[in-house]
Amino acid sequence: AQSVTQLDSQVPVFEEAPVELRCNYSSSVSVYLFWYVQYPNQGLQLLLKYLSGSTLVKGINGFEAEFNKSQTSFHLRKPSVHISDTAEYFCAVSSSGNTGKLIFGQGTTLQVKP
Amino acid sequence: NAGVTQTPKFRILKIGQSMTLQCTQDMNHNYMYWYRQDPGMGLKLIYYSVGAGITDKGEVPNGYNVSRSTTEDFPLRLELAAPSQTSVYFCASSGTGLGLNEQFFGPGTRLTVL
Repeated sequence: AQSVTQLDSQVPVFEEAPVELRCNYSSSVSVYLFWYVQYPNQGLQLLLKYLSGSTLVKGINGFEAEFNKSQTSFHLRKPSVHISDTAEYFCAVSSSGNTGKLIFGQGTTLQVKP
Repeated sequence: NAGVTQTPKFRILKIGQSMTLQCTQDMNHNYMYWYRQDPGMGLKLIYYSVGAGITDKGEVPNGYNVSRSTTEDFPLRLELAAPSQTSVYFCASSGTGLGLNEQFFGPGTRLTVL
């Protein structure tokens, strides 16, 4: 069975500082990995995804993530955050099956302070 | 192109009442999903569908039913509402091929059962 663990439930950071949101997964098969963002009172929006190829993935709004197969991690990073990045971030995994089902982590709340 | 729409946005039910949460997508996606989101728990898959007439259970199907008579619509039915069903419900859809791995989410329905 697959599972996803987001290691921090809340991450407070000052504006213009770098940030890393950590995600570890477990799976016995090849996986696809995703980061979604949820702004207050909204649905989820895809930030970036890893399907294959380069392990460094760039997404929207200046975010990037690195797939590390040996450490089964997919950490999300941004070199300089803005107030507008305050949101909840979800890591998710999908197996290479034919249903597209996602398993989500518990979420990390990023709080950007001025 | 509205994407994924959900109605209603908010609803309060009494224990034992029933209701249907509506979900419609206009992207001609074959795959549709229902999730519930509880604080600190991430999103849990309730039911999913791989095409009209085909549905299957996810992680937490008890107390819910679905149908998929058209490609566009995927309603979620609560027959006998219980306080444990207080949650935010999200509908999502995805296409085929590589597009299968990106899910598009609706804005959510916030349900309270008292």
